[in-house]
Amino acid sequence: TQLLEQSPQFLSIQEGENLTVYCNSSSVFSSLQWYRQEPGEGPVLLVTVVTGGEVKKLKRLTFQFGDARKDSSLHITAAQPGDTGLYLCAGNNDMRFGAGTRLTVKP
Amino acid sequence: NAGVTQTPKFRVLKTGQSMTLLCAQDMNHEYMYWYRQDPGMGLRLIHYSVGEGTTAKGEVPDGYNVSRLKKQNFLLGLESAAPSQTSVYFCASSYRGGTSGASYEQYFGPGTRLTVT
Repeated sequence: TQLLEQSPQFLSIQEGENLTVYCNSSSVFSSLQWYRQEPGEGPVLLVTVVTGGEVKKLKRLTFQFGDARKDSSLHITAAQPGDTGLYLCAGNNDMRFGAGTRLTVKP
Repeated sequence: NAGVTQTPKFRVLKTGQSMTLLCAQDMNHEYMYWYRQDPGMGLRLIHYSVGEGTTAKGEVPDGYNVSRLKKQNFLLGLESAAPSQTSVYFCASSYRGGTSGASYEQYFGPGTRLTVT
């Protein structure tokens, strides 16, 4: 059983602030995905990271895969209300998801 | 191209009733999945399929059955609904290999909100 722990569970910030959320495990993953889910909708894939140490950028979102491929982080620069949602990470090995970080960005 | 669709969107059942949730995808994906999502617990895999005619158990399969008679459809059945099955159910599909070479980049449907009273 590969558990994915996401932190923090909840995060509420003002528009324009920066933030980082984390996805940690004791297991090694061949790849890891990040999804964003808005209320009443299904999760939408943001990115897949594959190589240890890899950094991927998606506009104001920066994703990093740990060197040992056991953890990942998502950094958002200058957060906007449109970034509000539930951010989920998923390990490739057994299709398990973390419990998510619920982000609220206030105008 | 509709992606992944789910029917129905909402359903209320009484304890002991049965129902089937339908998932359809038009992306020619090999893999399909059923998840349930409960507050504070993220998404938990119920059953999945790696191809037409094949199914496998996930993390929380008890009380559910599935069938994949056609590649584009994946059905989730509840034979005797229980209040513990009150949840939001999501279907997803994926290519055998994603754009980054990863097998499990999943595309999700909009969900079915099920209440069992």
